[in-house]
Amino acid sequence: DIQMTQSPSSLSASVGDRVTITCQASQDISNYLNWYQQKPGKAPKLLIYDASNLETGVPSRFSGSGSGTDFTFTISSLQPEDIATYYCQQYDNLPFFGGGTKVEIK
Amino acid sequence: QVQLVESGGGLVKPGGSLRLSCAASGFTFSDYYMSWIRQAPGKGLEWVSYISSSGSTIYYADSVKGRFTISRDNAKNSLYLQMNSLRAEDTAVYYCARDLSGPDYWGQGTLVTVSS
Repeated sequence: DIQMTQSPSSLSASVGDRVTITCQASQDISNYLNWYQQKPGKAPKLLIYDASNLETGVPSRFSGSGSGTDFTFTISSLQPEDIATYYCQQYDNLPFFGGGTKVEIK
Repeated sequence: QVQLVESGGGLVKPGGSLRLSCAASGFTFSDYYMSWIRQAPGKGLEWVSYISSSGSTIYYADSVKGRFTISRDNAKNSLYLQMNSLRAEDTAVYYCARDLSGPDYWGQGTLVTVSS
């Protein structure tokens, strides 16, 4: 099984800050990686697919990069509505998720 | 628009059974793989199972293998999860999701609580 290591597990940042989350796969997954946003009490929402493609309707301050085993998710300017937990998920093999990153406002 | 509506959750005793359903609309159900994903209270997302568009290919997480059975009825646009021999650690919100290179649309979830 391919394991996904996501870090940090939580972070606190100010409005307007640049926020970066990383996800590392235990083996090469090419670009078969998605990023999701989950707000409290809600279902996850797909933000980024194929590592770097923005889902329709998702603000451009969200972006993703990487391939192989190392991936990065970035919020270029943190907004209050971005408070959520973010998950990476690989689909090269059985679709395991990273452990999640809880993003809070400082 | 794509809609996925789960039902069938509830309180069940350890060792008991429950069958979850997911009603799909707004897309051609028979064209898509479908998944069940769960989230224990205060925890992260855990993929449970997925099924191919025809139902011929099925995978399970090791944590549920031999106890859970995924199925679908393309004529009824419905996905199912039969859960047997339930344990306390199966307590979670269960989401169904359309699978297109990973889950793209998710239902709102249904809560399963396993407790005596």
